[in-house]
Amino acid sequence: SQQGEEDPQALSIQEGENATMNCSYKTSINNLQWYRQNSGRGLVHLILIRSNEREKHSGRLRVTLDTSKKSSSLLITASRAADTASYFCAWANFGNEKLTFGTGTRLTIIP
Amino acid sequence: GAGVSQSPRYKVAKRGQDVALRCDPISGHVSLFWYQQALGQGPEFLTYFQNEAQLDKSGLPSDRFFAERPEGSVSTLKIQRTQQEDSAVYLCASSPGAGDSPLHFGNGTRLTVT
Repeated sequence: SQQGEEDPQALSIQEGENATMNCSYKTSINNLQWYRQNSGRGLVHLILIRSNEREKHSGRLRVTLDTSKKSSSLLITASRAADTASYFCAWANFGNEKLTFGTGTRLTIIP
Repeated sequence: GAGVSQSPRYKVAKRGQDVALRCDPISGHVSLFWYQQALGQGPEFLTYFQNEAQLDKSGLPSDRFFAERPEGSVSTLKIQRTQQEDSAVYLCASSPGAGDSPLHFGNGTRLTVT
């Protein structure tokens, strides 16, 4: 079973708007990662944030991490139809390469 | 190849049959992971290899599930006496195994047990 949650479960927005999704976890972590999954495909790594970092940017992506609240958020700015996918957070504990995944957010961008 | 390759892409098995799912990781990647993903859910960890050593198999749901990576490259996930609840997508991922390396996933094998 999952050891964390993501919300919202599903999100529909107009193209050009920003999309924010949130992730909560329950353990102490070494890093937290976000992945994207298109329907019927594998997961693609988007961004990694380490436990001693609070914010990270990559192109239109912005990730924040609050270890005191055990939560992270992913912001996608200026959304495009091609951003339609499911997004998963995943975290690794110290000394362990294994990732535990959240429940995912299904994002739909309306053209 | 350039990415992680999994075969077959789709597998339909009658309940009680044995199945074998194959994963070709990225060349040179030390770490290899198997995950199970039910429809609409996040991937659930099954097992993890570092080279040929299976370091963690805590996620395997029963003794019907068995994974191997005998030469530290290709891996096979075998499910014996399949049950309907085994129906899922089985994802394989590999990584260089160094520090905070992201995982590189294959497109998965969709298993349907009838």
